[in-house]
Amino acid sequence: QVQLVESGGGLVKPGGSLRLSCGASGFTFRDFYMSWVRQAPGKGLEYVSFISGSGTSIYYADSVKGRFTISRDNAKNSLYLEMNSLRAEDTAVYYCENVYYWGQGTLVTVSS
Amino acid sequence: DVVMTQTPLSLSVTPGQPASISCKSSQSLLHSDGKTYLFWYLQKAGQSPQLLIHEVSRRFSGVPDRFSGSGSGTDFTLKISRVEAEDVGVYYCMQTIQLPHTFGQGTRLEIK
Repeated sequence: QVQLVESGGGLVKPGGSLRLSCGASGFTFRDFYMSWVRQAPGKGLEYVSFISGSGTSIYYADSVKGRFTISRDNAKNSLYLEMNSLRAEDTAVYYCENVYYWGQGTLVTVSS
Repeated sequence: DVVMTQTPLSLSVTPGQPASISCKSSQSLLHSDGKTYLFWYLQKAGQSPQLLIHEVSRRFSGVPDRFSGSGSGTDFTLKISRVEAEDVGVYYCMQTIQLPHTFGQGTRLEIK
């Protein structure tokens, strides 16, 4: 069955960095574009970043552009989100998704 | 960006009664490939969103047939024919015709 499993979240100070990972199984990973979506505590869903199946097409929300980097390794069936210069407003649960399936999410807390 | 507007934002329904949620997009979600890229998700408490309906009206694998989707262009509706206790949560519509993918604000369904 399809599984998306995020990891790498945690508590980080403002200005710090984190690298999120998303391991995929149960489907042909390279055939699907992937996205990161976040949800601040008690809030709705916010689209963060997109990467095409080949990795050649990438999109970032304005709120993270220049600070976050999305990448994928199709040989390892893995998706990544490198997050730098983190701010308090980046605090959220981060989900990886391929539209049809979502991971369980990983919590990122930015606080001093 | 495509703006997605859901109504109502909350819904209280007696078990066995129907429920309906509207989602309107600021531009047509009909692609030149003939598909309409409108999705419906349910996010239960403490869980990640789960896909109910894709491409307006196609029920995803394992979704009960009491859930149905309809609409075209910019106006869409999710209907639950007979609400059950397990349907409690927040419902989101999402469009994927254009980046960034965007979500409605969410509709919270509770049981009376």
